[in-house]
Amino acid sequence: DTAVSQTPKYLVTQMGNDKSIKCEQNLGHDTMYWYKQDSKKFLKIMFSYNNKELIINETVPNRFSPKSPDKAHLNLHINSLELGDSAVYFCASSQVVRGRDGELFFGEGSRLTVL
Amino acid sequence: AQSVSQHNHHVILSEAASLELGCNYSYGGTVNLFWYVQYPGQHLQLLLKYFSGDPLVKGIKGFEAEFIKSKFSFNLRKPSVQWSDTAEYFCAVNKGAGDKIIFGKGTRLHILP
Repeated sequence: DTAVSQTPKYLVTQMGNDKSIKCEQNLGHDTMYWYKQDSKKFLKIMFSYNNKELIINETVPNRFSPKSPDKAHLNLHINSLELGDSAVYFCASSQVVRGRDGELFFGEGSRLTVL
Repeated sequence: AQSVSQHNHHVILSEAASLELGCNYSYGGTVNLFWYVQYPGQHLQLLLKYFSGDPLVKGIKGFEAEFIKSKFSFNLRKPSVQWSDTAEYFCAVNKGAGDKIIFGKGTRLHILP
């Protein structure tokens, strides 16, 4: 079983479309994240949820809307896609251990290409 | 705001060479420090982490890192690299429970067979 799974792995779409990426973790972790990795491999945090509650919301356009139906799932919906949204989006999860964050467990990434 | 600097953007080494990748962070308080590796076409995996205690941390695949508080550094080392170590390496830091983990821009390591 994959610990953090994302779907779809690849997504090619036209500018202006709306798309969603889904993420599920079976590790029992309380916290889930979305990171964006650009073409230069730079990883930037977008959102973090703890037990379905949004706790980190970086400077991300309103077109991006995360949703966490339960603590094992964190989905990312993107409206009105733009060329600059092309990237690999990684979902991750972690669990606080003895008052400190544990390691991040990453999904395999979802490569979004906007044409 | 805290930040993470990785000064080596691209490193090329021959097999069996020794490796040291630099990482400096800007936050002055208590920090958690991490090194992650991303093999070509794969997701990020944890190499090692430092929360407290012994500043010399040993990770998987023969990697180690040393936390030097006075230098705000957490450099990654391996005494003898292998071709299979070719990957992107990311240093990361956060301030503790609930704080976001900030990544450096990564160092691309290329090992020549």
